[in-house]
Amino acid sequence: EAQVTQNPRYLITVTGKKLTVTCSQNMNHEYMSWYRQDPGLGLRQIYYSMNVEVTDKGDVPEGYKVSRKEKRNFPLILESPSPNQTSLYFCASSSPGISYEQYFGPGTRLTVT
Amino acid sequence: DQQVKQNSPSLSVQEGRISILNCDYTNSMFDYFLWYKKYPAEGPTFLISISSIKDKNEDGRFTVFLNKSAKHLSLHIVPSQPGDSAVYFCAAYSGAGSYQLTFGKGTKLSVIP
Repeated sequence: EAQVTQNPRYLITVTGKKLTVTCSQNMNHEYMSWYRQDPGLGLRQIYYSMNVEVTDKGDVPEGYKVSRKEKRNFPLILESPSPNQTSLYFCASSSPGISYEQYFGPGTRLTVT
Repeated sequence: DQQVKQNSPSLSVQEGRISILNCDYTNSMFDYFLWYKKYPAEGPTFLISISSIKDKNEDGRFTVFLNKSAKHLSLHIVPSQPGDSAVYFCAAYSGAGSYQLTFGKGTKLSVIP
């Protein structure tokens, strides 16, 4: 089954404790992206990657890091989480040469206390 | 600077009637538009899209209309069903090699049985 998976689905952590949210897709997509969804703000892009070893900032990159060492994986790293990073996070992937449609993962609910 | 605007945070419609969700955009470089549907605790799923060279695209009960001169698009759902109750996001690409998707804030549709 074609899908984007994220782990963990739910995470409660404390300020300053480094964490990683994993994202994996099995569709051989070149493009991958991270979004956060906050009430009243919709979906905002954090980082995206056009291919392996190619990443770029989205609209709200502060406080986040990403890496793209393999085509299928695109982890999101919070080196020192803060309460304002409490949010719902979505990973997405697509193959822009074939379709503009982005496929989304199920989301990760992160709470930073 | 919100480039994709969904000015109605919520909409209630009777089952069987037409639902019309609206979206306005400000960036004239946007040339491809998508609608996503999102249920609670799930990631957004692609619904329908339209290229800027068209003014209408239809898929079953869903039709998207694009008015480029007004920088406005709308999603029509006919007939509306209770299972259509979800948050609907309008999104746009600016093309020219950019695969960054800009989302609106979403409209919560409630279809009343």
